[in-house]
Amino acid sequence: DVKVTQSSRYLVKRTGEKVFLECVQDMDHENMFWYRQDPGLGLRLIYFSYDVKMKEKGDIPEGYSVSREKKERFSLILESASTNQTSMYLCASSWADPSTDTQYFGPGTRLTVL
Amino acid sequence: GQQLNQSPQSMFIQEGEDVSMNCTSSSIFNTWLWYKQDPGEGPVLLIALYKAGELTSNGRLTAQFGITRKDSFLNISASIPSDVGIYFCAGQLWGAQKLVFGQGTRLTINP
Repeated sequence: DVKVTQSSRYLVKRTGEKVFLECVQDMDHENMFWYRQDPGLGLRLIYFSYDVKMKEKGDIPEGYSVSREKKERFSLILESASTNQTSMYLCASSWADPSTDTQYFGPGTRLTVL
Repeated sequence: GQQLNQSPQSMFIQEGEDVSMNCTSSSIFNTWLWYKQDPGEGPVLLIALYKAGELTSNGRLTAQFGITRKDSFLNISASIPSDVGIYFCAGQLWGAQKLVFGQGTRLTINP
């Protein structure tokens, strides 16, 4: 079974802190994604990566950056956390082959910024 | 960013009832996916649809890829308490690596 793990289930940070959210997948997937989930808005794509050291902006990249130094690991960075970044953050991974492009999700990190 | 229109946003039903939800878009999608998210967990894939008109079942779940490629529906028959959660549709545009998600349907079941 595909396994996507996220470093923390719950995180509480203060405004202005630098925050790192880590995601690791064990299926050698090329693609990795970071979403945020807010009530009534569904899942919105922040950034995605289709290869090591490659990244592309999603729909809401402002205030975030990402890092992919190894194929299995994709990090989301909040350079200076703000209260409007309080949310559930979901990581996902998938194969690059469009015919088998199902995304597999981690359990999520619920981030609260005070 | 582009989003799918998913409805209804929430449903409150009695155990044993059938459930129906759908997603529509102004764009043509190459793939439709349906995910379920249990409370406190990440979404899990339920059904994947790859051809227009395709009707696929997974136990009590049935989903269809609309013939126009712009919509999809998910039906759940004879609901049970463990069906509670948020259901998301997702579509993939041709040649795109990323998915577009609906807003979700929150399902609540009264025993």
